Amino acid sequence: DAKTTQPTSMDCAEGRAANLPCNHSTISGNEYVYWYRQIHSQGPQYIIHGLKNNETNEMASLIITEDRKSSTLILPHATLRDTAVYYCIVRGQTGANNLFFGTGTRLTVIP
Amino acid sequence: DTAVSQTPKYLVTQMGNDKSIKCEQNLGHDTMYWYKQDSKKFLKIMFSYNNKELIINETVPNRFSPKSPDKAHLNLHINSLELGDSAVYFCASSNYGGLAGEQFFGPGTRLTVL
Repeated sequence: DAKTTQPTSMDCAEGRAANLPCNHSTISGNEYVYWYRQIHSQGPQYIIHGLKNNETNEMASLIITEDRKSSTLILPHATLRDTAVYYCIVRGQTGANNLFFGTGTRLTVIP
Repeated sequence: DTAVSQTPKYLVTQMGNDKSIKCEQNLGHDTMYWYKQDSKKFLKIMFSYNNKELIINETVPNRFSPKSPDKAHLNLHINSLELGDSAVYFCASSNYGGLAGEQFFGPGTRLTVL
């Protein structure tokens, strides 16, 4: 699985959009970009995933660059409950392969 | 209803003891996992089971023995506990095909070895 690089930490004002970047320059053609988050003392939570096109669901939007070497997770209106560590993971779609969690980005939403 | 549940939530025990952690999922998934999160917060896969068959074993000491009585359960038994086993253990489940990257995690079991 391709390696990902994320900033260690970020702050975001409550109510504003949180944009979390991820670099995955070695991603291969059949690998997807997944985003998870882990709120303090809880299990990781799936947020969104994508291959080439931008994706949106009720939690977030995922913007993937045309060359697929980087992506951005967007939380459109961050709340205090969005404070968490966010993990960007690149992996194939099928099979039972494990998820490789890096160090992630610690997002702090500030009142 | 809880999708992935683990018991116990907390486990405090002495070195050398043997303990088990139980995991159950009611999502109808055919693949289950155990992850370990250490004190530095690194989250690493330990085991993966598909339809009760072991498919991933990531260099885990053989003191750790997963057991899957059926597709909905994956228990983790640990023999001769050591201080370094102290961590939070997470169970997860997914479907083998399709969205295998979308895994559902349990709330975790915090194991403290004294």
